Amino acid sequence: DTAVSQTPKYLVTQMGNDKSIKCEQNLGHDTMYWYKQDSKKFLKIMFSYNNKELIINETVPNRFSPKSPDKAHLNLHINSLELGDSAVYFCASSQTQGNEQFFGPGTRLTVL
Amino acid sequence: AQKITQTQPGMFVQEKEAVTLDCTYDTSDPSYGLFWYKQPSSGEMIFLIYQGSYDQQNATEGRYSLNFQKARKSANLVISASQLGDSAMYFCAMREGQGNYGQNFVFGPGTRLSVLP
Repeated sequence: DTAVSQTPKYLVTQMGNDKSIKCEQNLGHDTMYWYKQDSKKFLKIMFSYNNKELIINETVPNRFSPKSPDKAHLNLHINSLELGDSAVYFCASSQTQGNEQFFGPGTRLTVL
Repeated sequence: AQKITQTQPGMFVQEKEAVTLDCTYDTSDPSYGLFWYKQPSSGEMIFLIYQGSYDQQNATEGRYSLNFQKARKSANLVISASQLGDSAMYFCAMREGQGNYGQNFVFGPGTRLSVLP
């Protein structure tokens, strides 16, 4: 009965490759997020979707493209991976105007 | 300018004592929310407590309480009776705006708390 799940948990890939990280929530929330946590533990929001519609799109390279097939899923596709993309990526969800975000376990991406 | 400031990169506290983790924020939005999250060494993010900008009383959740001083724009986390399992990174965060559009979430740099036996 995992609330927010992400796959894969670890992703090791070569520079230049394209990869996707999947996120699913079974909480019935209507808002989902992607965050990037760098090696210094700094967390930065990347995207936010509400009912499959993009509502926050921070300054992120357009190599990153979120896709929300339905409100329970928000996948992150990354093209032409670079060394600087190495980080932990967290998916999260909340009710609109909710007071709490539930985070997934994170995906550690390593670009070689 | 930093929206969320956590001035203590690292803190130590003796087991069973109380500890305060500082957080100051900057916003011109009258409607905002303040959050604290815990990230243990295992990496998951755990929600601890929430304070809304219009809440009259300080939020409490078990051993966690939020010392909300609106005029000073501070939202310090107080952990009472520290336990060894409280050793972790603690992040203060703010949500600005409300509704479906115009929301922004910002996290502070975190404070690493170490509880000593």
